[in-house]
Amino acid sequence: GENVEQHPSTLSVQEGDSAVIKCTYSDSASNYFPWYKQELGKRPQLIIDIRSNVGEKKDQRIAVTLNKTAKHFSLHITETQPEDSAVYFCAASIGASKIIFGSGTRLSIRP
Amino acid sequence: EPEVTQTPSHQVTQMGQEVILRCVPISNHLYFYWYRQILGQKVEFLVSFYNNEISEKSEIFDDQFSVERPDGSNFTLKIRSTKLEDSAMYFCASSEPQTGPGEQFFGPGTRLTVL
Repeated sequence: GENVEQHPSTLSVQEGDSAVIKCTYSDSASNYFPWYKQELGKRPQLIIDIRSNVGEKKDQRIAVTLNKTAKHFSLHITETQPEDSAVYFCAASIGASKIIFGSGTRLSIRP
Repeated sequence: EPEVTQTPSHQVTQMGQEVILRCVPISNHLYFYWYRQILGQKVEFLVSFYNNEISEKSEIFDDQFSVERPDGSNFTLKIRSTKLEDSAMYFCASSEPQTGPGEQFFGPGTRLTVL
């Protein structure tokens, strides 16, 4: 079945620096790749998503890139701020019926 | 802004007991989902539901689990005979009707503790 690998598991960056989280997926039929942010004790919230017909998408300080050939996708956060500290999950889906999540990255922003 | 709601927020039960977790998806959504998250671990897909039937389910979703849409607004997850390892946060989600995949909106979760 579909599998999503996510790295690193923890990431600590200086406030103002960039953070990059990488994921790979196994099923080449995957066509939708959302990224979720989860703060402690709260629900996952979508921060950005990308579909398989697009290579890159940006929303203010957040960008996602997709390499379909290599089955890689990445999240880039620039000018990190303390409120960016959270657990980030990548995910992949085929169609609307199932989303497989990565194992999560705990991002800490050092002041 | 409409939100997915879930009740109860915390459920404590004895091993072997049945529990029903309740969700009210966003009103115009047609796809409904259940996920679970064991403390400190990733979010795991359990089941999706569309057009009054299960669309897809994972290996976790065995005969102990069932889902139902008993009326026009509620979506429930039943665990027939709970085990210790069922202790987790259970999230319901819903998504808009689309021809392809789209954003899933998550509820706040129900923390299930099995003693």
